[in-house]
Order: sequence, then structure tokens, then C-alpha cells
Amino acid sequence: AQSVTQLGSHVSVSEGALVLLRCNYSSSVPPYLFWYVQYPNQGLQLLLKYTSAATLVKGINGFEAEFKKSETSFHLTKPSAHMSDAAEYFCAVNHRGGSNYKLTFGKGTLLTVNP
Amino acid sequence: DTGVSQDPRHKITKRGQNVTFRCDPISEHNRLYWYRQTLGQGPEFLTYFQNEAQLEKSRLLSDRFSAERPKGSFSTLEIQRTEQGDSAMYLCASSWAGLAGVKQYFGPGTRLTVT
Repeated sequence: AQSVTQLGSHVSVSEGALVLLRCNYSSSVPPYLFWYVQYPNQGLQLLLKYTSAATLVKGINGFEAEFKKSETSFHLTKPSAHMSDAAEYFCAVNHRGGSNYKLTFGKGTLLTVNP
Repeated sequence: DTGVSQDPRHKITKRGQNVTFRCDPISEHNRLYWYRQTLGQGPEFLTYFQNEAQLEKSRLLSDRFSAERPKGSFSTLEIQRTEQGDSAMYLCASSWAGLAGVKQYFGPGTRLTVT
């Protein structure tokens, strides 16, 4: 069964600092991978997704993520944090083949940005 | 594209009462998903429809839960005899069918509080 582990339930950075949110997946076949962001009392918004076209994926709001098969990782980064980036971030997987429709989410990482 | 809408946004109910939530997906999407998100956790898959057919239900979906999508458009999720453990955010998402790794568009969610 596939699963997702997000290391660090809470990450705090200063405005302008590098953002690094970690995600590792467990799957026998590299899955499709997603990063979603959730602002308070709102639904989830897709930041970016990996579907095997390129290992470095650029998303919205200056975020990007790199797929590393050898490390089974898909970490999310942003060079310079902005106050508006404060939110909860979820990594998710979607298995290739079989039950390819449902997303399996990690527990989330709450990002706080300090002025 | 008016997005996925959910109604109500908040529902407070007493234990033992029945509640019903509605989801209106993006009109061109033939897949519709329900997820549940409890405090401090990522969303968990409950069920999904392709057009009007309910194709899978998670083990999380007890007999007290029923979902419908009668005309392949909007969907309802009913919880009978609510319990305090049902308190959660219920998220609806929609997507195109056919492609693995397809983007799911999420609604704002319905927050249920069972007292």
C-alpha cells in the first residue's frame, strides 16, 4: 500500500528565508505526487504535481519540488518565504494503475513565517 | 470555471441527528470525490463517483454514511445518527476522468461539529 510521510508537523521560517518542506513516499512503483496548500477554513489548492515528465517541477507562487527516486522523496522548496505563504501544506500520492483515482495524503506541515 | 462549491460551510448538530451535505462540482467534471479531514490530519478518501455511479467506498464510510450523485452532477453526503467522532471537515473534489494523476479541484469544505 502506498503512503506518504511528511517530516515535521510544524516548520517556522523568517520572511525571506528558504522554505523546505519534506515529503517521502512509499510505493513499489513511482507514483504521481502532488503538493497542496490549505489556508485557514479553506479547501485545498494545488501547488504542483509530478507526473514523470521532469524531475524538477515548478508550481505556483514560486514553489518547486524535486522528485528523487533513489530517496523516494518529493520535497517542496521556495527560495524566499513571504508572509502570505503561512498555511498548511500537504503532500499526496496517486498510484499509477489500479486505484489511480484517489489521493493519499500526508498529515501535513504547518508553515509559519515570522517577520 | 466557477469552482467546486459546498453547502453548508458549517454545521453544528446534536449527537444522534441526521445531517446532509451538498457538493456542486465543476460542471464539465465527471468524477466527484469525498474526503474527510480531522484536526491535525490530512484528508482521507471516503468515496468517489464517476458520473452517477459510486465506484468505491472506503472502509471509513460506515453504514451510517451514504452518498449519492443522482444525475451525475451534484452530490450529497448524508450521515445518520451522528456521533461525536464524525466531527470533521468534509471535503468534496472533482476532476476529469480517464487520466491517472489528474488534478482534483477541491471545494471549501463543510465543517461538521457534533455536540
